[in-house]
Amino acid sequence: GNSVTQMEGPVTLSEEAFLTINCTYTATGYPSLFWYVQYPGEGLQLLLKATKADDKGSNKGFEATYRKETTSFHLEKGSVQVSDSAVYFCALRRILGNQFYFGTGTSLTVIP
Amino acid sequence: SQTIHQWPATLVQPVGSPLSLECTVEGTSNPNLYWYRQAAGRGLQLLFYSVGIGQISSEVPQNLSASRPQDRQFILSSKKLLLSDSGFYLCAWTPTGGGNSYNEQFFGPGTRLTVL
Repeated sequence: GNSVTQMEGPVTLSEEAFLTINCTYTATGYPSLFWYVQYPGEGLQLLLKATKADDKGSNKGFEATYRKETTSFHLEKGSVQVSDSAVYFCALRRILGNQFYFGTGTSLTVIP
Repeated sequence: SQTIHQWPATLVQPVGSPLSLECTVEGTSNPNLYWYRQAAGRGLQLLFYSVGIGQISSEVPQNLSASRPQDRQFILSSKKLLLSDSGFYLCAWTPTGGGNSYNEQFFGPGTRLTVL
């Protein structure tokens, strides 16, 4: 079947620390992969995406590389800010499919 | 540009009362539409999705139902709310057409439902 497993939270980091949130997936075929961010009380916003193997998605200093060999799409940022505090969701969309599969979310708190 | 609206933003309802949440999308035609529920501190649970008017797929058996009376309108309903229906309800859409398999979902601002 199709599923996404991401790192359990919560994660607490100091400002300017390096961030990694792990995400691995199981899917038939070659899915598209996404990272979404959710700020308190809001809906989800797309952070970045990758649609084929070895693609790197990037946005606002965040990056993730589609690794087919390890079925992973880990989210990284070199230097986090307090404003990055949010919940992060990894997701996949199966090729030719209408459904999206989300991880359980990882809560990140960045302290000054 | 496309926008997605949800209302109400916040709702407090007694157990056993009915529910109607509405979602509308502007600036696109024939979108795929989705309803998710997010319990406090939890991930997303897909409730329903629709690929066209009157076409609803249910993912989780429960006392909720969905309808799509118009192309860009998606409604979530219940005849009698349960305490366990409390949560944050999110509507989302994706474009259809060529290359749509690579497209992301776009989410609305959500409705916070509290059942007392």
